[in-house]
Amino acid sequence: ETGVTQTPRHLVMGMTNKKSLKCEQHLGHNAMYWYKQSAKKPLELMFVYNFKEQTENNSVPSRFSPECPNSSHLFLHLHTLQPEDSALYLCASSQQQGRTNEKLFFGSGTQLSVL
Amino acid sequence: ILNVEQSPQSLHVQEGDSTNFTCSFPSSNFYALHWYRWETAKSPEALFVMTLNGDEKKKGRISATLNTKEGYSYLYIKGSQPEDSATYLCAFHAGGTSYGKLTFGQGTILTVHP
Repeated sequence: ETGVTQTPRHLVMGMTNKKSLKCEQHLGHNAMYWYKQSAKKPLELMFVYNFKEQTENNSVPSRFSPECPNSSHLFLHLHTLQPEDSALYLCASSQQQGRTNEKLFFGSGTQLSVL
Repeated sequence: ILNVEQSPQSLHVQEGDSTNFTCSFPSSNFYALHWYRWETAKSPEALFVMTLNGDEKKKGRISATLNTKEGYSYLYIKGSQPEDSATYLCAFHAGGTSYGKLTFGQGTILTVHP
């Protein structure tokens, strides 16, 4: 148990559906992240939030819409996805105190299948 | 585009063997190098965050070294056990970028046979 909880663990959705992924961290961290792992590709950063403000958008299509209502919760709203968006979506958090040795704490991920 | 390469892609060893694998990253604009262990159906877990050239870190039977001038890091596992079976990821953090903006390698999949 890393202190970062993601729901749901698995999600199957059609291309016209709207769904949301949820992430919650119980570590008192100030930064939260969405990463994506497509089949046979490395983990890829999508979004970074620091103190609830989005500080990085790694050229992610607008059909992915993140929301960070407070430092403990992070959502990824999905709409009109494509089959190629099927992937494992991982949430992570970190302390964000400016130390060079700061590590990430990951959730277990949501395995998304778009039909 | 930053290039982080890990080798080998996969590795099968017998229980008790010692093993090592490599992470190559850009030798310029270095800030930190992370190693994570990712067991199947679990969360990636941080092993080490290394920041200084020549740094060596150790956690039980696992150790890592760092050479920022030539852009590589080695991860060593001494006396591998079946519970060491996992994917080992390295991630490069470039200077001047947000914390958590890591560029990951594809990982080395380690299988330790009893």
